[in-house]
Amino acid sequence: AQTVTQSQPEMSVQEAETVTLSCTYDTSENNYYLFWYKQPPSRQMILVIRQEAYKQQNATENRFSVNFQKAAKSFSLKISDSQLGDTAMYFCAFDGGATNKLIFGTGTLLAVQP
Amino acid sequence: EAGVTQFPSHSVIEKGQTVTLRCDPISGHDNLYWYRRVMGKEIKFLLHFVKESKQDESGMPNNRFLAERTGGTYSTLKVQPAELEDSGVYFCASSDRLAGDYNEQFFGPGTRLTVL
Repeated sequence: AQTVTQSQPEMSVQEAETVTLSCTYDTSENNYYLFWYKQPPSRQMILVIRQEAYKQQNATENRFSVNFQKAAKSFSLKISDSQLGDTAMYFCAFDGGATNKLIFGTGTLLAVQP
Repeated sequence: EAGVTQFPSHSVIEKGQTVTLRCDPISGHDNLYWYRRVMGKEIKFLLHFVKESKQDESGMPNNRFLAERTGGTYSTLKVQPAELEDSGVYFCASSDRLAGDYNEQFFGPGTRLTVL
């Protein structure tokens, strides 16, 4: 069975600093997608960044980047120059492609402190 | 372009009652998904529609849950009768791509269901 594990229920970071959120997953598939979604307080969940498993290069979206280690089945999210607006619940998710359903972790609540 | 909308935003009902949740996907999106997050746990897949057809309903907890998508547009999720363990946040998502391709799902704000 495919699973996604986020081992950090809560994290805190000072504004302008860098923080890394961890995510590991388990699958026997070779081709798949990984995502980080962000849900700010009382707002909709939005896609932050995605990674295709067949790509060796780590995805980057402005201040957000990932460290994708396929052999280790690890997919961490790094947020640089943290801003107050980054305060949110962050969910790591896996899409095996064949079924199209997303498999989520339990989430990490990130608080950016002024 | 309007995003995915869900109604109601909150619902508080008593055990044994019926509740119907509604989801309006992004216009033109054939794929519609329902997910649920029970407090403190992961978001779990419930089912997937392609247009009006149920593609995958493997995540539906039991036969107290009934999902429909009439005409391939909006979808409803009915819980009848509701039990305490049904409490949680129900998310709807839609996408315009099918299996085998990159599939970004756009999420609604969720409906928070509380069963007392």
